[in-house]
Amino acid sequence: AQSVTQLDSQVPVFEEAPVELRCNYSSSVSVYLFWYVQYPNQGLQLLLKYLSGSTLVESINGFEAEFNKSQTSFHLRKPSVHISDTAEYFCAVSDRNQTSGSRLTFGEGTQLTVNP
Amino acid sequence: KAGVTQTPRYLIKTRGQQVTLSCSPISGHRSVSWYQQTPGQGLQFLFEYFSETQRNKGNFPGRFSGRQFSNSRSEMNVSTLELGDSALYLCASSRWSGGPTFGSGTRLTVV
Repeated sequence: AQSVTQLDSQVPVFEEAPVELRCNYSSSVSVYLFWYVQYPNQGLQLLLKYLSGSTLVESINGFEAEFNKSQTSFHLRKPSVHISDTAEYFCAVSDRNQTSGSRLTFGEGTQLTVNP
Repeated sequence: KAGVTQTPRYLIKTRGQQVTLSCSPISGHRSVSWYQQTPGQGLQFLFEYFSETQRNKGNFPGRFSGRQFSNSRSEMNVSTLELGDSALYLCASSRWSGGPTFGSGTRLTVV
């Protein structure tokens, strides 16, 4: 069984400030790790993912996340946020076993609010 | 390239009725999965279909069912609707296990 804990349900920050959204996971098997973003009244958009290789992964809009196997964490960071980054962010894991398919286990979500 | 398409976007049903939601995956994606999103329970996995076969199932009652057609399109059915079934239902498709692409969802309200 897998579980994901997002340590902060709400994170308010000012525009141009750095931000970190924390995610820890628990799993008895090797996992893939994901961050999704959800804007109001929309579905989930894949922000970035860790599948293998370099433990630091980056998105096209300035977010990055680092896989830390020893601490079972996958925290999301951005050095300077914009108003448009206001959204809910979800951390998710899936089993690397192919027969488990695309089943994702999500965290509870973190509402990031960027204030002017 | 078209994304994952879910229809309808909004739906209002009466308790006790049944409902069918539709999902068209990205072309070439053979895996379709369904999730329920509610404020109280968050995002929960319902089931996944791959090549017309249910490959995984979450912890939902038998009132929730699904199927996948030969063109990979999928439907989800909920029978005997309850007030607690009000939720955003999300469909996602993927070519493999590397991160599904989600649709915009169907907002179901049970009154």
